[in-house]
Amino acid sequence: AQSVTQPDIHITVSEGASLELRCNYSYGATPYLFWYVQSPGQGLQLLLKYFSGDTLVQGIKGFEAEFKRSQSSFNLRKPSVHWSDAAEYFCAVEPNQAGTALIFGKGTTLSVSS
Amino acid sequence: DVKVTQSSRYLVKRTGEKVFLECVQDMDHENMFWYRQDPGLGLRLIYFSYDVKMKEKGDIPEGYSVSREKKERFSLILESASTNQTSMYLCASSQADTRFAFFGQGTRLTVV
Repeated sequence: AQSVTQPDIHITVSEGASLELRCNYSYGATPYLFWYVQSPGQGLQLLLKYFSGDTLVQGIKGFEAEFKRSQSSFNLRKPSVHWSDAAEYFCAVEPNQAGTALIFGKGTTLSVSS
Repeated sequence: DVKVTQSSRYLVKRTGEKVFLECVQDMDHENMFWYRQDPGLGLRLIYFSYDVKMKEKGDIPEGYSVSREKKERFSLILESASTNQTSMYLCASSQADTRFAFFGQGTRLTVV
């Protein structure tokens, strides 16, 4: 069965430092890949997506992610974290088949220290 | 702006009540989804629908049903609410070909 693993439950980063959130997926073919962010009390907002082509994708709010097929990974990065980036981050895959839905990881909570 | 609207942000219901959670999207999307979000468990798919009157079970359909009579509206029904259904419920929609989903703000349901 398809699955998504986010190994880090909680990460704390200093403001201005770089960030990398890890995501690994288990699926035979290359699925569609997504990162979503959820601020407290809010719904989920799409940060970026990968369907095909260039393996480094740019998203909103200065985030980027790199797809590595050999590692089945889709890690999220940001060069300099801002206090407003504190939120919960979810990696998701969509198996790219008719009649399927997004499968989410369990999320990584990001705290930003000053 | 695209919009997925959930009828309530907060609900408190009693055990055994029949509960309706409503979701409306204004983007003419084919697909609609209901997820449940619990701390440490992420989002788990309850049901989804890829067309009017069509529905598919997700990972945790037990205790829930859904209704999609119109393209823009997808309802989640708790036939007899139980305390273990206390959770955050998130509705989403997507186009059939683009795959990425837009989410509503969520409904925090408490069953007492």
